[in-house]
Amino acid sequence: QQQVKQSPQSLIVQKGGISIINCAYENTAFDYFPWYQQFPGKGPALLIAIRPDVSEKKEGRFTISFNKSAKQFSLHIMDSQPGDSATYFCAASSTGRRALTFGSGTRLQVQP
Amino acid sequence: NAGVTQTPKFRVLKTGQSMTLLCAQDMNHEYMYWYRQDPGMGLRLIHYSVGEGTTAKGEVPDGYNVSRLKKQNFLLGLESAAPSQTSVYFCASRTGAGELFFGEGSRLTVL
Repeated sequence: QQQVKQSPQSLIVQKGGISIINCAYENTAFDYFPWYQQFPGKGPALLIAIRPDVSEKKEGRFTISFNKSAKQFSLHIMDSQPGDSATYFCAASSTGRRALTFGSGTRLQVQP
Repeated sequence: NAGVTQTPKFRVLKTGQSMTLLCAQDMNHEYMYWYRQDPGMGLRLIHYSVGEGTTAKGEVPDGYNVSRLKKQNFLLGLESAAPSQTSVYFCASRTGAGELFFGEGSRLTVL
């Protein structure tokens, strides 16, 4: 049972554009929503994370938007760069739960 | 600071053979995990451990066994490999704040 649904599966954006990746979750007990970035041949690495007490969190060009009532959260990459080309995973967890549940991943390609 | 180290990085097995993947972390983390990554499937949890001497099943534990004899090491074993176990395997350890640190992966092919 997939508890975190991620879309799109792949995304092509021009340099300087905005990349948007969406995730939806089912478990209302989830209270921690991170995004991981993975480059080819490497393991995923934490990019940015949010808890549901805020609706938005920004770190540099990366922003998470969170909609608790819709049970959705999204990653926005402003001024996308070719170096942002990677696979992005959303994930979710709840207090007391010992592991993250990951989405299926989005392969982002930023064209120069 | 090496972080999370996985060995081997690549392995080819024949159906029915056994093998062990080793994960070592030097960050003194209590929690460790084994995930498998398949195209379009994301990262699926195989087994995890919340401390030395403990293990627990994740989403897809069948066909795998694990051991955590030492805090810094988490071993993933395949007793009788099947082609369906062809995948990239990632080990991770977790900070107290919930951040996962992943190794670089072990690519396994079962013929």
